[in-house]
Amino acid sequence: NAGVTQTPKFQVLKTGQSMTLQCAQDMNHEYMSWYRQDPGMGLRLIHYSVGAGITDQGEVPNGYNVSRSTTEDFPLRLLSAAPSQTSVYFCASSTRGVYNEQFFGPGTRLTVL
Amino acid sequence: DQQVKQNSPSLSVQEGRISILNCDYTNSMFDYFLWYKKYPAEGPTFLISISSIKDKNEDGRFTVFLNKSAKHLSLHIVPSQPGDSAVYFCAAPGVMNYGGSQGNLIFGKGTKLSVKP
Repeated sequence: NAGVTQTPKFQVLKTGQSMTLQCAQDMNHEYMSWYRQDPGMGLRLIHYSVGAGITDQGEVPNGYNVSRSTTEDFPLRLLSAAPSQTSVYFCASSTRGVYNEQFFGPGTRLTVL
Repeated sequence: DQQVKQNSPSLSVQEGRISILNCDYTNSMFDYFLWYKKYPAEGPTFLISISSIKDKNEDGRFTVFLNKSAKHLSLHIVPSQPGDSAVYFCAAPGVMNYGGSQGNLIFGKGTKLSVKP
């Protein structure tokens, strides 16, 4: 049982490049989310999904795209990377319900030059 | 507008003493709160939670207190150990306008705890 996995662990991009951050979970969780962590800002929600085929925007969605074609996978796409997207990105998943303990992946550290 | 606030960016305590980390919230619809612990280069991990029907929840050295009238909660660590040095996040489940779960969490900015030997 691997839990929540994220790839890559580190990535450096040039401004304007695009890329996809991968996230997968093997716990059959319905809910999945993407957060970014910046110094002094805590974790801010980018996009989330309550099930396959259903996604919605969080607090800071601009510049990011998501899709959820399967229960297991929830990739995050950077359409045209900008230096402001330099951050650590965390994917999380949880079971359905209000009292939902979220399980986090190890994170992807992204630098945009 | 921050719905979950942790106003102390850092806290330093001596090993063996009590650590008290504070959290305030503004949304009266929140009825469940979680504390996460985060070490450098790792994802956050769940530590302890509390439902609004309680005012206290204990798990070993960790106790969370909830004061609903003040919209305030606190995490107590007794006794503090050097391995407790980490960033602690307070969080509440995001809720829809009708009260249903959004399936995500709203986090405070975190408090970095340093426990000195």
